[in-house]
Amino acid sequence: EDQVTQSPEALRLQEGESSSLNCSYTVSGLRGLFWYRQDPGKGPEFLFTLYSAGEEKEKERLKATLTKKESFLHITAPKPEDSATYLCAVQAWNNNAGNMLTFGGGTRLMVKP
Amino acid sequence: EADIYQTPRYLVIGTGKKITLECSQTMGHDKMYWYQQDPGMELHLIHYSYGVNSTEKGDLSSESTVSRIRTEHFPLTLESARPSHTSQYLCASSRRQGYTDTQYFGPGTRLTVL
Repeated sequence: EDQVTQSPEALRLQEGESSSLNCSYTVSGLRGLFWYRQDPGKGPEFLFTLYSAGEEKEKERLKATLTKKESFLHITAPKPEDSATYLCAVQAWNNNAGNMLTFGGGTRLMVKP
Repeated sequence: EADIYQTPRYLVIGTGKKITLECSQTMGHDKMYWYQQDPGMELHLIHYSYGVNSTEKGDLSSESTVSRIRTEHFPLTLESARPSHTSQYLCASSRRQGYTDTQYFGPGTRLTVL
C-alpha cells in the first residue's frame, strides 16, 4: 500500500527565515511525486511534479527535490503570502485505478512578518 | 491556469434533503475525480471517471453517487443528506502529460448538513 508522511505538521517561520518541508513516501514504483499548495477553504493548487531521484524544480521562492525515499520543499526567504498548507502526493506505476494520488497530511506553513 | 468550476461554493442544508454538487471543466480532460476533505485532514478519493459513461468508487466509502454523461461535467449526488456528510468536497480533472496525469482542482464545495 502506498504511503505518504509529511513533516512537520505545522511550521512557523519569520519572514526571510528559510526552511524545508519533508515528504517521506513508500510506493511500489514511483510514477510521479506532486506538490500542491492549499489555501484555507480552497482547492489545492498544483506546484510541481518530480519523476526521478535527483530531479529538482524551482518556482519563485520554492524548490522541490526528490530522492528514492523522500522529497523536500525548500522555501527560501519566505514571505507572509507563502503561508498555506503544502501537500505532497504520489502516483504509482501499478495504480490501475484511474491514476489515483495518495496524499500526505500536509504541512501548515505560517510566515510572520 | 486550471479551468475547473464547482457550484455551490457553500451549502447549508437540512437532514434528509437530496443535493447535487456540480463540477465542470473546460480543459477537455478525460479523467475526473471527487475528493472529500475534513478540516485539517487528508484528501480522500470517493469517486473517479475515466471518461463518458465511466464511473468508479474510490478508496473512501461514500453514500454519494456520480454520473458522467458529458466530458466536461461530473456531478455528485447525495440522495438523503445526513450530518455525517458535512465536509469539503473537491473536484479535480486530469489528462496524461508525459509519464503522469497531473490533477487540477476546483475551488471546492463546503457542505454543512444540520
